[in-house]
Amino acid sequence: QTVVTQEPSLTVSPGGTVTLTCGPSTGAVTSGHLPNWFQQQPGQAPRTLIYSTNNKHSWTPARFSGSLLGGKAALTLSGVQPEDEAEYYCLLFYGGSWVFGGGTKLTVL
Amino acid sequence: QVQLVQSGAEVKEPGASVKVSCKTSGYTFTDYYIHWVRQAPGQSLEWMGMINPNTGGTNYAQKFQGRVTMTRDTSITTAYMDVSSLRSDDTAVYFCARELRGGHFDYWGQGTLVTVSS
Repeated sequence: QTVVTQEPSLTVSPGGTVTLTCGPSTGAVTSGHLPNWFQQQPGQAPRTLIYSTNNKHSWTPARFSGSLLGGKAALTLSGVQPEDEAEYYCLLFYGGSWVFGGGTKLTVL
Repeated sequence: QVQLVQSGAEVKEPGASVKVSCKTSGYTFTDYYIHWVRQAPGQSLEWMGMINPNTGGTNYAQKFQGRVTMTRDTSITTAYMDVSSLRSDDTAVYFCARELRGGHFDYWGQGTLVTVSS
């Protein structure tokens, strides 16, 4: 089974910019992996932020953007707000199955 | 408005089975896949499988094949997931989520806590 890796934790200052990445131990992520990004606050269900690499939902704040970067899927937050402190998960499609990354704990400090 | 409302918390003994429901509303049930995802305490999300409500076709993660069954009842726009032979490490919050074909995930259920304990 493919293992998808994310940074375990990142810290960013309010108003700053941070990029979270997601990818397998071998091989590059492409648009065909249909990357999705989710935000999860403690005790809540995940919320979908980005689908199919770089598409936003109506509820996704403009400061969030998705892309492919250096062979990985990436989620960039520009102008970070205190309420962005949360766990972030990516999800990739591998030939009929989906695999979540291990999650990134984002601290806003 | 789109809603996915899951059944309530369950406590089961090891070896038992549990059936979790995901009642949907606000959209055409057969137009979207339903995925099931679980999260053990303090752990990451884990994809378990999906069902196509239009055809009833399913696709399970290899880890869960033979122990998980996903079904649906189109007459009441509800998806179900049955997990058998429960073990203590099946203790988790189970979520349903909706996907439009092509990797377009959007709405999630609120989650159902399943506790496996003797």
